[in-house]
Amino acid sequence: GENVEQHPSTLSVQEGDSAVIKCTYSDSASNYFPWYKQELGKRPQLIIDIRSNVGEKKDQRIAVTLNKTAKHFSLHITETQPEDSAVYFCAARDDKIIFGKGTRLHILP
Amino acid sequence: GAGVSQSPRYKVAKRGRDVALRCDSISGHVTLYWYRQTLGQGSEVLTYSQSDAQRDKSGRPSGRFSAERPERSVSTLKIQRTEQGDSAVYLCASNLLNRDNQPQHFGDGTRLSIL
Repeated sequence: GENVEQHPSTLSVQEGDSAVIKCTYSDSASNYFPWYKQELGKRPQLIIDIRSNVGEKKDQRIAVTLNKTAKHFSLHITETQPEDSAVYFCAARDDKIIFGKGTRLHILP
Repeated sequence: GAGVSQSPRYKVAKRGRDVALRCDSISGHVTLYWYRQTLGQGSEVLTYSQSDAQRDKSGRPSGRFSAERPERSVSTLKIQRTEQGDSAVYLCASNLLNRDNQPQHFGDGTRLSIL
């Protein structure tokens, strides 16, 4: 069945450095790739998304890249700040949405 | 405006009992998902439905999980004969249509503890 793999499961980054989270998907028909940020005890919030006709999208310190041929997409956070600490989920969707297992990002002071 | 709301926020039940969790989605949203979220497994889709049609994709072979949608913007997740492994956060999410590439809107979740 369809699957989304997300790596790493945990990531610690020094404040100010960049963080990269990578996902691969199996369903080649997937055409929408959102990223969600979930802080402790709160609901997941959409932070950025990309559609299959675009290779890269940027919003301030956050960027997402998509390689449809290789079926992988990545989240890049630059100039990380303490408030970036959270669990991040990638997802891929065609008929239904499939989530990765999440990456717990720690920003170290 | 009103977002997705779930009730109760916390639920404690004895093993073996049936439980029901409620989700009020956003008016006009057609597709509704139920997820189970645990520390080790991330977010797992339990069921999803479009409009009145129920597409059940239970992750449990025993089929103890089912969802009903008595109204378009209301869904009830039912878990029969609960097990300790069912302890998790259950999230509900809705979006306009699955194929229009719109993001999902999540509720705050129900934290279920099975004793």
